[in-house]
Amino acid sequence: DTEVTQTPKHLVMGMTNKKSLKCEQHMGHRAMYWYKQKAKKPPELMFVYSYEKLSINESVPSRFSPECPNSSLLNLHLHALQPEDSALYLCASSQKPGSPGNQPQHFGDGTRLSIL
Amino acid sequence: AQSVTQPDIHITVSEGASLELRCNYSYGATPYLFWYVQSPGQGLQLLLKYFSGDTLVQGIKGFEAEFKRSQSSFNLRKPSVHWSDAAEYFCAVGAPLEVSGTYKYIFGTGTRLKVLA
Repeated sequence: DTEVTQTPKHLVMGMTNKKSLKCEQHMGHRAMYWYKQKAKKPPELMFVYSYEKLSINESVPSRFSPECPNSSLLNLHLHALQPEDSALYLCASSQKPGSPGNQPQHFGDGTRLSIL
Repeated sequence: AQSVTQPDIHITVSEGASLELRCNYSYGATPYLFWYVQSPGQGLQLLLKYFSGDTLVQGIKGFEAEFKRSQSSFNLRKPSVHWSDAAEYFCAVGAPLEVSGTYKYIFGTGTRLKVLA
C-alpha cells in the first residue's frame, strides 16, 4: 500500500491534447517531487516543491507545467507533448525539505503516460 | 561529481540462495544512502536507509545493507531470496541542491533481479 496516491494510473493522449496528472499525500509532508522514468532506467527528477513553492526545475520543457495548490496536492499539467515524453511519471513526497537522513522520499505508483 | 554505480545490470539467483547487490558511490561529504525496490508497474518502495551510526542497517523484507566508507560501498544483502523478491533495485544517495534546504536523489542505474524457482 502506498501513502502517495497518483491518478490516473494510465493515460493515453494525443500530441495536441491537454491533460493533468494528480498526486496526493496526507502524511503532512511539505516537500513534493515529480520524476520521469523511462523503461529500464532510474527516475529522473523534474520538479521539487518546497512548502508549496517551486524550488527546483530541472530544465524541464515548458510543455510540462507543475502546480501545488496546497500542501497535500501536486499536479502536473501536460500540453502539446511529444512521443518521447511517453514514460512513467512518479510523484514523491518527504517530510520537509532538508537533510534526507531522517526524511526519505515516499513514492506513488506512478502514471503510465503514452503519447500517440 | 556525485555519482552512484550499480555494476550489475542483471542478477539471477535461485530461490533460497543468498543475494548481494553492489552499490558504489562518489560523494564528498557524509552520504545519505538508500536502497529502493521497484516491482513491475509500481513505484519505488524504500527498503532501508543509512545516514549515521551503525554501519549495518536492517530494512524491510529481510534485507540489510552495510556501509563501508573505505570502499565507498553500500551493498544490499539478503540471506535467502524469495520468488517475490524479483524486481528492480535502485541504490541512491541524497545530495543537497543549490537551493538551501532542498535535496535530490542521485540514483544508480538499477539492478534487475531474477529469481529461479
